[in-house]
Amino acid sequence: EVQLLESGGGLVQPGGSLRLSCAASGFTFGKYAMTWVRQAPGKGLEWVSVISDSGGATDYADSVKGRFTISRDNSRNTLNLQMNSLRVEDTAVYYCAKGLSGNYYDVCDIWGPGAVVTVAS
Amino acid sequence: DIVMTQSPDSLAVSLGERATINCKSSRSVLYSSNNKNYLGWYQQKPGQPPKLLFYWASTRESGVPDRFSGSGSGTDFTLTISSLQAEDVAVYYCQQYYSTPQTFGQGTKVEIK
Repeated sequence: EVQLLESGGGLVQPGGSLRLSCAASGFTFGKYAMTWVRQAPGKGLEWVSVISDSGGATDYADSVKGRFTISRDNSRNTLNLQMNSLRVEDTAVYYCAKGLSGNYYDVCDIWGPGAVVTVAS
Repeated sequence: DIVMTQSPDSLAVSLGERATINCKSSRSVLYSSNNKNYLGWYQQKPGQPPKLLFYWASTRESGVPDRFSGSGSGTDFTLTISSLQAEDVAVYYCQQYYSTPQTFGQGTKVEIK
């Protein structure tokens, strides 16, 4: 079964850091671009970042550029999101998601259950 | 950035009736070299992650009931539920993947009248 499972969420103070991970199983991880999408409480979906299948290309939303870093370890089937200089407005459920077909520009067909990140003092 | 605007924000439809959601992009998401619209639709139920319904604007994802259909090209797109069922109550989002940053519409909440 194809699965994604996020971990690393929690409560952090403004200005702090947190590292999210996403464990993938049931598919050839290294063949697909991977994406992070977040959803603030009661709000819509916000695209955060994408990384290519090899890890050689990345992109970020303007709201997180320079503060968040996406990475992947294809040998461990793991996707990461390093979040620094966190702000209250970064509070959200963070989903990792798998690209449908291996292209960099792609929809996401498999989503994890999400990790809750709360930034508050 | 490409701005995605959905309408309406919410709609209430009787069981068995048609529900129509519109999505407009601020720039065309039709890629001329392959004639594909880089537009997807998702369904999200409370407490769950999004579920992919359509890609390339009108290609139904495996397992999606055929009462759902996607249409449109360029900047204007539509998601139609031909006969609303109770299990279709959800928030629906369009997403452009033509360029980064990828962007979602604000969502349309579908309820039973």
